[in-house]
Amino acid sequence: GAVVSQHPSRVICKSGTSVKIECRSLDFQATTMFWYRQFPKQSLMLMATSNEGSKATYEQGVEKDKFLINHASLTLSTLTVTSAHPEDSSFYICSALGPGRGYTEAFFGQGTRLTVV
Amino acid sequence: GDSVTQMEGPVTLSEEAFLTINCTYTATGYPSLFWYVQYPGEGLQLLLKATKADDKGSNKGFEATYRKETTSFHLEKGSVQVSDSAVYFCALRGGGADGLTFGKGTHLIIQP
Repeated sequence: GAVVSQHPSRVICKSGTSVKIECRSLDFQATTMFWYRQFPKQSLMLMATSNEGSKATYEQGVEKDKFLINHASLTLSTLTVTSAHPEDSSFYICSALGPGRGYTEAFFGQGTRLTVV
Repeated sequence: GDSVTQMEGPVTLSEEAFLTINCTYTATGYPSLFWYVQYPGEGLQLLLKATKADDKGSNKGFEATYRKETTSFHLEKGSVQVSDSAVYFCALRGGGADGLTFGKGTHLIIQP
């Protein structure tokens, strides 16, 4: 089946630094990827939709200058949390629309636990 | 906007018990409905889905029926196993290439 790999799985960074999270589709090409954020005991919240070769579309309330998304190839999207602060600590999950049902099925990465200290 | 409400957990059952996890939604138009499962240490996996009213999704003994009149998509399984212990998410998608709107997730614990 279609596999989405997310890296790193865990990262700890100092306040004020930037962190990059990678999301790769390993065995298929993904023109559309999504980034979600999950707070403890909360649902996954869609942050942005990433389309290969174009600017990401951010959901209302998500700061695009803080959460930089780049989807420069058909197999890689990156999320960079800039000038991270403790309130950015969360679980970030990516997904990609993959093969099956006309590329409308979403496949998920394993998530990245970000801790900002 | 779209929203999904599912029963809070954790839900603890004995092996071979009957399972129901309730899920209701609000959405404009005709969304597609999904159940995802997240096993410990793994990413979300699609469990089943339904794309139109009265459709029944099924997989691994789990079933859910798209009920438009009650805006519900309850997950059921007749006899759960310890290996079913996981977090279950109900979700909807309004359009074919849109992102998903998730419920908060229900942690299911099956005891031997």
